Amino acid sequence: AQSVAQPEDQVNVAEGNPLTVKCTYSVSGNPYLFWYVQYPNRGLQFLLKYITGDNLVKGSYGFEAEFNKSQTSFHLKKPSALVSDSALYFCAVGFYNTDKLIFGTGTRLQVFP
Amino acid sequence: NAGVTQTPKFQVLKTGQSMTLQCAQDMNHNSMYWYRQDPGMGLRLIYYSASEGTTDKGEVPNGYNVSRLNKREFSLRLESAAPSQTSVYFCASSDSAGGPGGTDTQYFGPGTRLTVL
Repeated sequence: AQSVAQPEDQVNVAEGNPLTVKCTYSVSGNPYLFWYVQYPNRGLQFLLKYITGDNLVKGSYGFEAEFNKSQTSFHLKKPSALVSDSALYFCAVGFYNTDKLIFGTGTRLQVFP
Repeated sequence: NAGVTQTPKFQVLKTGQSMTLQCAQDMNHNSMYWYRQDPGMGLRLIYYSASEGTTDKGEVPNGYNVSRLNKREFSLRLESAAPSQTSVYFCASSDSAGGPGGTDTQYFGPGTRLTVL
């Protein structure tokens, strides 16, 4: 079955330190991978996506993610965290023959001053 | 350009009552979606519509019905609300006409927080 996993419910990081939010997937065929962010009491906002090509994808607000086919991972990274990055982050996977996305359970990022 | 709008923002129902959640998008997108978000569960797809006039079930369709009224509007109806349907409901849309399905960014509305007593 197609699935996406976010193994950490919460990630804590000090402001100015690098951050990583992990995502792994299990799909047949080539996946399309997305990261979305949700701020409190808001809808989800698109951050970045991998469709094909360069494995390193750059997105909004200084975030980037690396597609690793051998490890079936798509971890979200940022070199220097900001307190304003504190939010709920969702990884999602799409497929060739459908418009549907499957979302992970979300990881809460807390950046401390 | 408002993007995706949802009404109402909040709603409290009693068990057995019915209601319709409204969603509209002004981006001329072909596809629209309804999700529910529950703690620890992430987002789960209830129904989606790949084009005007078509609807398909998602992961958790039981207890819901949908109508794709036109290209802009996609409503979600609870015929007889149950406490298990207490959740935050999100509508989303995407323009899937540009390439293979699954590659297009989805744009989300602000959500409807529903409580069923």
